[in-house]
Amino acid sequence: ELKVEQNPLFLSMQEGKNYTIYCNYSTTSDRLYWYRQDPGKSLESLFVLLSNGAVKQEGRLMASLDTKARLSTLHITAAVHDLSATYFCAVNPYTDKLIFGTGTRLQVFP
Amino acid sequence: NAGVTQTPKFRVLKTGQSMTLLCAQDMNHEYMYWYRQDPGMGLRLIHYSVGEGTTAKGEVPDGYNVSRLKKQNFLLGLESAAPSQTSVYFCASRPGGNTGELFFGEGSRLTVL
Repeated sequence: ELKVEQNPLFLSMQEGKNYTIYCNYSTTSDRLYWYRQDPGKSLESLFVLLSNGAVKQEGRLMASLDTKARLSTLHITAAVHDLSATYFCAVNPYTDKLIFGTGTRLQVFP
Repeated sequence: NAGVTQTPKFRVLKTGQSMTLLCAQDMNHEYMYWYRQDPGMGLRLIHYSVGEGTTAKGEVPDGYNVSRLKKQNFLLGLESAAPSQTSVYFCASRPGGNTGELFFGEGSRLTVL
């Protein structure tokens, strides 16, 4: 059974600081997705990583995928309050399913 | 653009009642999914469909049934609601192939008393 684990589960960080969210998964896959969810809202797609070594960047967020380590990271550079949200990674293990991690709730304070 | 539309957005049920959640997508997507979201547990897959007329079980299928009679619609049914089914339900769709990202509906908040 595929397990997708994120850490930390909760992250409180000061504006301007850098931090990394980790997503580990337990089975072979080279397809990993990052989503953002604001409170009470739906999920918004951030990044689609489709091969080993893939790196995608959008603004202050950068995602990478290491399929050999079964690890993806979401790096936050110089955090701002607007980045406060819950971030989910999701893995497609060569099936029709997409399995989600438990999420990382990010809170950015002044 | 409508995208993925879920109805109803909110519903309160009593234990034992039945109800159906409707998901409609206008993107001609092959795949459709129902997830539930509970605090601290992320999203868990209930059932999914890889095309019209097909359904399959996900991680937590018990207590739910689904149907995909038309390509654009995916229905989630609760035959006899239980308090443990209190949750926010999300429908999602994607095109065929294994590289597509999911497109989510706005969610349906269900409370079972």
